[in-house]
Amino acid sequence: QSVLTQPPSVSGAPGQRVTISCTGSNSNIGAGYDVHWYQQLPGTAPKLLIYGDSNRPSGVPDRFSGSKSGTSASLAITGLQAEDEADYYCQSHDRSLGGAYVFGTGTKVTVL
Amino acid sequence: QVQLVQSGAEVKNPGASVKVSCKASGYDFTTYYMSWVRQAPGQGPEWMAIINPRGGSTSYAQKFQGRVTMTRDTSTSTVYMELRSLRSEDTAVYYCARRQSYYGFSGYSYFFDYWGQGTLVTVSS
Repeated sequence: QSVLTQPPSVSGAPGQRVTISCTGSNSNIGAGYDVHWYQQLPGTAPKLLIYGDSNRPSGVPDRFSGSKSGTSASLAITGLQAEDEADYYCQSHDRSLGGAYVFGTGTKVTVL
Repeated sequence: QVQLVQSGAEVKNPGASVKVSCKASGYDFTTYYMSWVRQAPGQGPEWMAIINPRGGSTSYAQKFQGRVTMTRDTSTSTVYMELRSLRSEDTAVYYCARRQSYYGFSGYSYFFDYWGQGTLVTVSS
């Protein structure tokens, strides 16, 4: 059971905007730890999508953006495309677990 | 280019041990910490362990303390993860992942920028 909670699924039509929330507590996101996001296509390893709350690694389209406020973070996908259909996970640290790396419960994005 | 290549799938009986390897290439092996992250079927990733390849110091998630050992061989740029006393709940895909650091407003934070292809470990009698 993860300390970071995400909605199990979100969906949208091509071209639409969807957002994924990552809700934590004062021992992780609320403690000031950065949030990072990963995309996982079926049968493959997670791929880094956003780091340090809102930074994109080179090669990641600017359709993906991240933000953070209080004890929650969000990933937004604008101009949704068929290839965005995947699982998405947030990641941070948790002070109550000695600073261990923690992942979110995951969100399945479906392109209608 | 950075590559992390893991050993092949394993099938183990309950109570046995498994040792998975991850060979790194394309960068200075001793410069970046390496972690093991596992993912059970239908579940999210779960962090297990991390090693500093330079000195070999390790840190383990509380859940796996006493049951997991992470080691490295700098001569072959390879890290290893051994998990003992296997049970059915350990059935999962095990990934090695390179840790990257970022200095932002909150100070240093850490994430995983490169991942191995994954190794399926099945525990079944």
